[in-house]
Amino acid sequence: DTEVTQTPKHLVMGMTNKKSLKCEQHMGHRAMYWYKQKAKKPPELMFVYSYEKLSINESVPSRFSPECPNSSLLNLHLHALQPEDSALYLCASSQVGSNQPQHFGDGTRLSIL
Amino acid sequence: KNQVEQSPQSLIILEGKNCTLQCNYTVSPFSNLRWYKQDTGRGPVSLTIMTFSENTKSNGRYTATLDADTKQSSLHITASQLSDSASYICVVRGPTDSWGKLQFGAGTQVVVTP
Repeated sequence: DTEVTQTPKHLVMGMTNKKSLKCEQHMGHRAMYWYKQKAKKPPELMFVYSYEKLSINESVPSRFSPECPNSSLLNLHLHALQPEDSALYLCASSQVGSNQPQHFGDGTRLSIL
Repeated sequence: KNQVEQSPQSLIILEGKNCTLQCNYTVSPFSNLRWYKQDTGRGPVSLTIMTFSENTKSNGRYTATLDADTKQSSLHITASQLSDSASYICVVRGPTDSWGKLQFGAGTQVVVTP
């Protein structure tokens, strides 16, 4: 079992809905990440939190809103998404530092109707 | 242009056979290179990590090599098993001041058949 837990595993929502993706880790990692992965493509970085502060935003549209309420939790709030936002959303965590491995969750499969 | 290129895009091998996957990168300066395995419907799992000074690293039946001069890495799978069917992704970390960012290759899809 992965040490990074993501919920829900699957989510179907309409373009007018508001939903949230959740990610939790208890490894004491102080860096947490959101990635978007389309089929047969590598993950694309969206956001990085370091010590609960947003440190990287890869020019992600404002309809995606991240939140890091504490060192163990990372949320991604979704609002007014488009069909092209359908993808696998991966959360990862790591110790802060360049040689530290990122531990990935199994992702949330998001479908926008 | 992607700074990490992997080949082949996909391959099919018989159970018990060996195979080698390639990764060429242009990321410079270079911090480390990691190979991940991603099973269908799962998140990536780290197999090996190598820094500039390391030439080879093994993890069970997986052996990674690195030539920092030519900016090439390979992942060799020995005596393949059905459970090796997955996407293998080469990931390179660049300058230390961008520690949060990784450069991902597009992956090699490996299918092991009985």
